Amino acid sequence: NAGVTQTPKFQVLKTGQSMTLQCAQDMNHNSMYWYRQDPGMGLRLIYYSASEGTTDKGEVPNGYNVSRLNKREFSLRLESAAPSQTSVYFCASSYIRSNYGYTFGSGTRLTVV
Amino acid sequence: SQELEQSPQSLIVQEGKNLTINCTSSKTLYGLYWYKQKYGEGLIFLMMLQKGGEEKSHEKITAKLDEKKQQSSLHITASQPSHAGIYLCGADGEKGTYKYIFGTGTRLKVLA
Repeated sequence: NAGVTQTPKFQVLKTGQSMTLQCAQDMNHNSMYWYRQDPGMGLRLIYYSASEGTTDKGEVPNGYNVSRLNKREFSLRLESAAPSQTSVYFCASSYIRSNYGYTFGSGTRLTVV
Repeated sequence: SQELEQSPQSLIVQEGKNLTINCTSSKTLYGLYWYKQKYGEGLIFLMMLQKGGEEKSHEKITAKLDEKKQQSSLHITASQPSHAGIYLCGADGEKGTYKYIFGTGTRLKVLA
């Protein structure tokens, strides 16, 4: 089925470890996004890529890096994980200006101990 | 910066009852989106509103944007257990950018 695929679905890291969250979309969307969702704080934008070859910081970029590998793929990297990065991470994609909103992946539940 | 406030934060209704969820913005909305999230899953796009006074419906869910474009309401008629989940409003945080923001969500539970 067409959509946004995130891997892994669950991950436990120790403080200081690094990891990359993968995201791929097959909807030919131009723009891709990474959000984190925390209780009581809603969804907050970490980084986004308006189009292939560009990336920009969102609301909470500290501690993260991203790579727009090609039009389909947008990865999020935690270089040195901290307990404050325990969250559910969502990748999303959209056309540049869309009346159809964003298409979200099913999320990655990350716990940093 | 723009903020979206949703009310109520949570809602429990009996099956068959109508309900309304509100989303209020601190600034003029250029595009208002409603999403539904089932527990433990990603968000599903429901509908988008752009014009003041605009109203859209999808099955038993109706959303409206007020004339001043600072408040939107989501109304569910004759609620069913399948309507249960978290409803979030989202908006373009800054016109012409991709800094899309979300409200904190409304948790809806429908009792059979």
